[in-house]
Amino acid sequence: ETGVTQTPRHLVMGMTNKKSLKCEQHLGHNAMYWYKQSAKKPLELMFVYNFKEQTENNSVPSRFSPECPNSSHLFLHLHTLQPEDSALYLCASSQERAQAPSYEQYFGPGTRLTVT
Amino acid sequence: GQNIDQPTEMTATEGAIVQINCTYQTSGFNGLFWYQQHAGEAPTFLSYNVLDGLEEKGRFSSFLSRSKGYSYLLLKELQMKDSASYLCAVSDSNYQLIWGAGTKLIIKP
Repeated sequence: ETGVTQTPRHLVMGMTNKKSLKCEQHLGHNAMYWYKQSAKKPLELMFVYNFKEQTENNSVPSRFSPECPNSSHLFLHLHTLQPEDSALYLCASSQERAQAPSYEQYFGPGTRLTVT
Repeated sequence: GQNIDQPTEMTATEGAIVQINCTYQTSGFNGLFWYQQHAGEAPTFLSYNVLDGLEEKGRFSSFLSRSKGYSYLLLKELQMKDSASYLCAVSDSNYQLIWGAGTKLIIKP
C-alpha cells in the first residue's frame, strides 16, 4: 500500500449505532488530520494530530471521537450520529503540523458516510 | 471572519485555456494552495504560492497577489481529464488551512 488509505469507503449507519473509520498513512509523516466534506461547502477541519498528540479540536461534537495510537494510524469513532453528519470524511497527512506552511497535505480517498 | 471565495462552477472547451480565481480574507497569510479533486477521489496537491508572482508547472500555473488577496489557477491546453473540482486553501497565521468551497470545472469536447 502507498499513500493514505481509508476504510471503509462507504458506511451506512443508524443514529444509535457505533462505528469507526480508519486511516493509515504509508508516507512517514508526523501529522494527521480528519476533515468533513459536505456538498458545495468548504472542507471543515475536525481534528489534528502532530507526533501523536492532538493539537486541534475545532469545536467538533463529542459524538465524534478521534484516536491516534501511532503516527501511521488515525481513527474516528462515531456514536449517536445525526442525519446532518452524513458527508465525506477525509483523512490527510503531512510531514509536520506546526510552523510548516509549505507542507502539502496528502489525502485519502475518504469514507462516504450516510446516517439514517 | 475568514473567507475564501471562488466560483462554484466553470465550463471550458477541450484545448482551450481557463483561469480559476480565488480571493481570500484571512487572519495572517502563510501561503496559498491549490488542490485538484476528481469526483469520488481524494484531493491532490497542485501548487503552493507564498510570494507574489506566477509559478508555472507544466500545463498548470498559479498566480498570487498578496496585496490584493487574490490568486488564480491557469490551466492550458485543457484535456477531458481536467474535469474536476479545484480547491483553493490559505494557510493563516496559525498555519491552519482555510478552504474555499471549490470550483467545479466542466470540460466540453
